[in-house]
Amino acid sequence: GQNIDQPTEMTATEGAIVQINCTYQTSGFNGLFWYQQHAGEAPTFLSYNVLDGLEEKGRFSSFLSRSKGYSYLLLKELQMKDSASYLCAVNTGGFKTIFGAGTRLFVKA
Amino acid sequence: GAGVSQSPSNKVTEKGKDVELRCDPISGHTALYWYRQRLGQGLEFLIYFQGNSAPDKSGLPSDRFSAERTGESVSTLTIQRTQQEDSAVYLCASSPRINNEQFFGPGTRLTVL
Repeated sequence: GQNIDQPTEMTATEGAIVQINCTYQTSGFNGLFWYQQHAGEAPTFLSYNVLDGLEEKGRFSSFLSRSKGYSYLLLKELQMKDSASYLCAVNTGGFKTIFGAGTRLFVKA
Repeated sequence: GAGVSQSPSNKVTEKGKDVELRCDPISGHTALYWYRQRLGQGLEFLIYFQGNSAPDKSGLPSDRFSAERTGESVSTLTIQRTQQEDSAVYLCASSPRINNEQFFGPGTRLTVL
């Protein structure tokens, strides 16, 4: 079967660092994506990992361990505008992608 | 350039009616996806099209749901005999190649009364 797990909600303080974890068990693996979705809007792409290790892009970094079926998204210097849902998604082969339920992040002042 | 567009943006219908949702992908994108997102939930895969290959329909929840795509352009998602449980936002996305990010449209919010 296909299973992607993320925490349902997280709360963090403006200016802090937050780590959002994602674990997956899928029949195939061709890469892992993170998307950001603000309330009432469509998801937008944040990052992509296909090899083990850390990918850094500005305030956002994403890590992947294929042997552990584990990824995390790290957000630094949190801003109020980072309040959104963060979706972990796995490409299981070809074009097929399975999404997790998402983690709703609340950033407080 | 133009992004993914969807129409209508909102649709209110009565239980038992048929609805048709439209998606215009980014020109040249081979893959097109449909997802359903219920309020406060994640994305539920429905179907994807890849070029001229047979579509992957494994996510369609029942035979009331069907989708078509003309070549590498417009796609329509049809829901027959709508039920209240079909109320959700239906998102379309397109992608230019394997293992590329998906570009999402704004979605169609369907409300079944």
